[in-house]
Amino acid sequence: NAGVTQTPKFQVLKTGQSMTLQCAQDMNHNSMYWYRQDPGMGLRLIYYSASEGTTDKGEVPNGYNVSRLNKREFSLRLESAAPSQTSVYFCASSDFRAAATYEQYFGPGTRLTVT
Amino acid sequence: QKEVEQNSGPLSVPEGAIASLNCTYSDRGSQSFFWYRQYSGKSPELIMFIYSNGDKEDGRFTAQLNKASQYVSLLIRDSQPSDSATYLCAVNIFDRFSGGYNKLIFGAGTRLAVHP
Repeated sequence: NAGVTQTPKFQVLKTGQSMTLQCAQDMNHNSMYWYRQDPGMGLRLIYYSASEGTTDKGEVPNGYNVSRLNKREFSLRLESAAPSQTSVYFCASSDFRAAATYEQYFGPGTRLTVT
Repeated sequence: QKEVEQNSGPLSVPEGAIASLNCTYSDRGSQSFFWYRQYSGKSPELIMFIYSNGDKEDGRFTAQLNKASQYVSLLIRDSQPSDSATYLCAVNIFDRFSGGYNKLIFGAGTRLAVHP
């Protein structure tokens, strides 16, 4: 199993350009997430999808859109990139349940620079 | 006040010593607590979770939870240079405004350096 995969690994954009970050998981998980990680800020939730067909905003959704294409795939789109969106983006997935073992599995990350 | 707080470090310990990492949280309704390890340039990986007051041991790692004081800690015994990483504390938050969805809130992480 590949686990959680993300493409691309690195990307440089100019201000105003758009792009889509792709994420796929092969663990048959119901829930998927997009985070961004900035120095000293930890991981901040952008959007999540608790199950196929649903998406919800996290802590920092402004400037982003998402699509849960199917159970495996969850994409993140930047419509008009801004330098403040320079960050490392992680996709994660989990087998959503109410129990305590709420482990999230992370992809390798996408390092995005907006100039 | 941040929902999950950690000392950013770096916490420097000699090889073989016990490293103690601490985390406090603000939501008294939190039920589950997680420690993730993140090596530089890599993605986070889960090393421990705990949901009952007291201690939970797994090999060289011990997680400690005190819900009354709203803190959770991670002890690493016999620290090795390979333990040098950033340790992220995560707390589950029950989001009643989103259909009862549980989400994780992460602290900013503590950087641990184990020197030979």
